[in-house]
Amino acid sequence: GENVEQHPSTLSVQEGDSAVIKCTYSDSASNYFPWYKQELGKGPQLIIDIRSNVGEKKDQRIAVTLNKTAKHFSLHITETQPEDSAVYFCAFNQGGKLIFGQGTELSVKP
Amino acid sequence: EAGVAQSPRYKIIEKRQSVAFWCNPISGHATLYWYQQILGQGPKLLIQFQNNGVVDDSQLPKDRFSAERLKGVDSTLKIQPAKLEDSAVYLCASSPGTGPAYEQYFGPGTRLTVT
Repeated sequence: GENVEQHPSTLSVQEGDSAVIKCTYSDSASNYFPWYKQELGKGPQLIIDIRSNVGEKKDQRIAVTLNKTAKHFSLHITETQPEDSAVYFCAFNQGGKLIFGQGTELSVKP
Repeated sequence: EAGVAQSPRYKIIEKRQSVAFWCNPISGHATLYWYQQILGQGPKLLIQFQNNGVVDDSQLPKDRFSAERLKGVDSTLKIQPAKLEDSAVYLCASSPGTGPAYEQYFGPGTRLTVT
């Protein structure tokens, strides 16, 4: 069925620290795992994604890791900056649609 | 490149009234999505169009919600009659194709409050 668990629901870090958000999904057939960032009053924006044939992907300060056996994937943000403050959503595909997690509110304190 | 446009940005109605939202996707994008995002939750797909045909409307409450995408471009989502639990942000997204190979681009959403 459709189920994704995202943790933590809130995360507060000091500027320059790292932040890690984890998601667990239910559908073993899923092969696409995007992460979206949503700022206040805006729609979600894709920041990074990973497909099931890859275990890790990096883009500057952002990385995503995928463990298909355990059915979990994680977002890693290094050297956090105040502009990283937002709500982050993980998602996975089920059939032709995306199932979103509940979101993590990240606060980066200067 | 212009992004996904939505209007209105905010709407307040009383329960049992009707309301309509409009979406203009990115030019050339064949696939259009409507999502409902309740406060504190992730977006939930309501309906997906490929051009002007419906691909998935399994989670659309069809007794009160309807959507159309005439000519495969703009789309409208309607709620009639509205209930208190319909209070949410309604997001429109578009992508150049269908499936996980294509990024979904979201509009800013319409915040609906039902009193």
